[in-house]
Order: sequence, then C-alpha cells, then structure tokens
Amino acid sequence: DAGVTQSPTHLIKTRGQQVTLRCSPKSGHDTVSWYQQALGQGPQFIFQYYEEEERQRGNFPDRFSGHQFPNYSSELNVNALLLGDSALYLCASSPNRRAGEKLFFGSGTQLSVL
Amino acid sequence: RKEVEQDPGPFNVPEGATVAFNCTYSNSASQSFFWYRQDCRKEPKLLMSVYSSGNEDGRFTAQLNRASQYISLLIRDSKLSDSATYLCVVIAPGGSQGNLIFGKGTKLSVKP
Repeated sequence: DAGVTQSPTHLIKTRGQQVTLRCSPKSGHDTVSWYQQALGQGPQFIFQYYEEEERQRGNFPDRFSGHQFPNYSSELNVNALLLGDSALYLCASSPNRRAGEKLFFGSGTQLSVL
Repeated sequence: RKEVEQDPGPFNVPEGATVAFNCTYSNSASQSFFWYRQDCRKEPKLLMSVYSSGNEDGRFTAQLNRASQYISLLIRDSKLSDSATYLCVVIAPGGSQGNLIFGKGTKLSVKP
C-alpha cells in the first residue's frame, strides 16, 4: 500500500517564476492538505482540499493556489516566487477530512528559490 | 503570543537518560493534541495522541493539563534512535481536522 507520494523531491527556481508541486494521497484517503515548513520552523497550514474544492485556508497569499482532481490527487501552485518561499512543502492526506491518527504526510518537496 | 510554543532546545542527553519536553497552547478551547516526531528534513510522523487522562506508549508518556494549557512528553531510557525533533501539535476549535497547528519543535540529541 503506497503512502502519500509527492513529486518532485527537490526543485530549484528563481524569483518571479511559477512552480507546481504534486501529491497523490494514501489509498482510501480523499482529503489533501498542504503545509509549508521553513528551516527551523514547524509546518504551517496552507490549505485543504476535499471533493475537489478548497475547504479551508491558512494565512497565505493568493499566490498560493491549488487543485484537487477526481482521483483525489492534488497540486499546489505558487506564482511570482519570492526568496522567502524556499521551504519544504508537505502534503498530508486523510479520510473524510479527519486528522489526528488518520493524517499521513508525504516526504515533501524541497523548494529552493534563488 | 504564538498559538503553540515549545522550547526549541537542543536537548543533548546521554543514552538511558529521562528527558521531558513541554508545550503551551494559546486557545483554551482547543480540542485535540498530538506529539509528532520529525527526523532531519523528513516528513513528520505521529508519535502519539495526548488525552486528558494522560497516556503511555512504552517509554513515552504524554500528559495534558487543560487548566494550564500545557502539554508534556516524557521519554524514559533514551535511545540513540530517539534523536529527532519533537513537534507539539494542536487542532484548534472550529478548524478543519486537516488544519494542524504545529509548534516549532524541540530538537533532541541522544549521545552514546
């Protein structure tokens, strides 16, 4: 049983560019949440997708957007990249918008903005 | 005041030591509490949930004090493999279950 898979694992971009990160949830999970983890910080909630709609959003600007597909996979898009967007981006999946013991994280995408 | 605060450490302890981590949270109506473990630049993994009655899992004991808005994690008989960052996590009331609020984490280094 594959867990949460994310691609790519590493990415280098320059300021002003756009990036798309991808996530496939764990089998049986229909909810995907995205987190940003800067170096030395805990993960911060970006948004959650369920039934192909954004259900809740953290304190992130509109440059951060997402999408969920009918097969429950998800994309995170970041436009007009800033140096401060450099971070580990984590995707987490769960069933029926539940969390706690039911929430599983992928190994993340390390984004470096130069 | 940050929503979840932890002592960042690092805690450097010898093998076999007992170490305790503390965490405070700001929203008194928070409902669910967890400890996650994160190895260097890898994904966080659930270590244990924290219940009002306290709970134990082998060498690990978690406690919740709602009156003081305080959560603790005790690790007994530390092993080298316990070296990691320990993240205190809260789900705020009214928030989606996917919206975990993480502390910055406390780094533990267990030495031989």
